[in-house]
This record gives sequence, structure tokens and C-alpha cells, in this order.
Amino acid sequence: GDSVTQMEGPVTLSEEAFLTINCTYTATGYPSLFWYVQYPGEGLQLLLKATKADDKGSNKGFEATYRKETTSFHLEKGSVQVSDSAVYFCAHPNSGGSNYKLTFGKGTLLTVNP
Amino acid sequence: DAGVIQSPRHEVTEMGQEVTLRCKPISGHDYLFWYRQTMMRGLELLIYFNNNVPIDDSGMPEDRFSAKMPNASFSTLKIQPSEPRDSAVYFCASTLGGWGDTQYFGPGTRLTVL
Repeated sequence: GDSVTQMEGPVTLSEEAFLTINCTYTATGYPSLFWYVQYPGEGLQLLLKATKADDKGSNKGFEATYRKETTSFHLEKGSVQVSDSAVYFCAHPNSGGSNYKLTFGKGTLLTVNP
Repeated sequence: DAGVIQSPRHEVTEMGQEVTLRCKPISGHDYLFWYRQTMMRGLELLIYFNNNVPIDDSGMPEDRFSAKMPNASFSTLKIQPSEPRDSAVYFCASTLGGWGDTQYFGPGTRLTVL
């Protein structure tokens, strides 16, 4: 069945460090892929997405490339800021009949220290 | 647009009481989702609606939970009777429709059952 596996957290970095959060998925076909971010005390919000293989999604300095060969969608940022501290979720739509459901990873807590 | 609106933002109740959570989706969105988030279980989809009709309620934990969507601009999630293990943050999300569309989340309702 559909699944999303993302890097276990928590991840703690210093400001201006490089960030990678790994995400791999299992699905039928080539679904859209998403990264959502949840800031403390808030709901999830879309960070970036890619709709087809080899697409690169980008937003706020974050990037992720849809790699169908490795079924991966790793999140990267070259220089993190304290304000990036949040929980990050990788997700894709279900392949089955209930296509409007999203399968989420368990989330990765990122803490950036000044 | 105001985004997805949820009320109340915080609810504290005693075991056995009825709890009603409310959601107003983004105008024009055809799909509405209810999620529950806990540390132990992460983000879980409880139920979703399309054009006010419940499509998949397989995530509803038990008969104590019920959800309705009487019109396109309002949905409720009711728990009766409530139990301490229902304590969680409950999110509502909506999407315009179509496979792989972005889901827009509300700020959540933090429920504490004593």
C-alpha cells in the first residue's frame, strides 16, 4: 500500500547550516509529492510541491526534486534560519480509490539554534 | 480569503461530556477533511467529505465520533461521550478538488479531556 518514510527527528542545527530531510515513498504510478510545514501552534501549510518526475519544487529557500528512480523527494536548504524551526511533513496522494486522501510521513522536528 | 476557520481554538472538558468542533472551509472548495494529531500516533485522517457527502470515514476511531457537513460552508466533528484518550489537536482542511490538489489546513482545535 501507499506509504511515506521520512527521516526520524529531531534534527538540531545551527543557523546557516545545510539541511537535508530525507523522504521516500511507495505508491502506484507517479503521484504529486508535497512538503508541508507546521510552525509551533499552527496548522500545516504547504511548503512546496512537485507534480511530475524530475520536477523541482522550491519555496523560501527550500528545494526538493522528484526522483522517480529512487522514489525520493528529499528536502534541502542551503542555509537555515532560526525561523525555520518547525515540523516538516512529506506527503503524497493515495493511489487507490480514495485518491483525495494524502498519505503523510510521521514528521521531522527541526530546531535551529542561533 | 480568510482561510479555513476552526472553533474553538482550545477546549477543555471533563470525561463523559459531549464535545463539538466546528470548521468553515475555504469558499468554493469541494473537499473537507478532518484530522487528528497526537504525539503517539502522528497525523491521522478521520473522515473526508466531497460536496457535503461523507466519502471515507474509515479513520473514525469508534462510534463515539461523528461528523456532519450540513452545507458547503460548515462542518462539525462531535465526540460523545469524550474520554481522556481523545485529547489531541484536531485539524480541518479543505481542497478545491482533483487528484493531488493542495490541502489548506485550519489552525486546529486543541482538545483536552480531563
